[in-house]
Amino acid sequence: EVLLLESGGGMVQPGGSVRLSCAASGFTVSKKTLIWVRQAPGKGLEWVTVIQNGGRTYHGDSMKDRLTTFIDNSKNTLYLHMSSLRAEDSAVYYCATSILTDYYDYWGQGTLVTVSS
Amino acid sequence: IQLTQSPSFLSASIGDRVTISCRASQGISTYLAWFQQKPGKAPKLLIYAASTLQSGVPSRFSGSGFGTEFTLTISTLQPEDFGSYYCQQLMSYPLTFGGGTKVEIK
Repeated sequence: EVLLLESGGGMVQPGGSVRLSCAASGFTVSKKTLIWVRQAPGKGLEWVTVIQNGGRTYHGDSMKDRLTTFIDNSKNTLYLHMSSLRAEDSAVYYCATSILTDYYDYWGQGTLVTVSS
Repeated sequence: IQLTQSPSFLSASIGDRVTISCRASQGISTYLAWFQQKPGKAPKLLIYAASTLQSGVPSRFSGSGFGTEFTLTISTLQPEDFGSYYCQQLMSYPLTFGGGTKVEIK
């Protein structure tokens, strides 16, 4: 069974950093394309970044100089490290992947990051 | 590529036919998906490649369009169809979502 489980969210001070995890089961993370999508409270969906087959990455403009994505193959887990966080980065962060289609058909439950002093 | 959804909110009765529009700022062929999202839940893929119904999704949902104009239709609105609906383009990075349409059941 394909599952994605995000963790690592919580309260972070402005200017701080956080590392989110997306633990996968039922497939090999390094062989699939995964994305991170965020949703600020009461707002719509915003694409954050993609990592393709464990290699090439693309970042959205809103966070592109403040992101690092990497995979720990031993844990089959994708990580998203975000730095210089601002209040407007407060959101639920979802990871998602495409398994049965070329579209994002599997999503985690999300993890909430709140940037506040 | 910007995606403009309309309307942003709609209220409809059970059994109504509902149509949501998604317009792309440039041609995206059929690289478009539709998602449904319930409060506090992750998005759920409904339609991909503009018109292909995702496995397990009721047949009352359908999608159409090509290029810059796309439509999601719910043929007969059911109580469980409340929530927000988003289109997403996968033509090029950065991937983008439409602003969303909130569907309320009257």
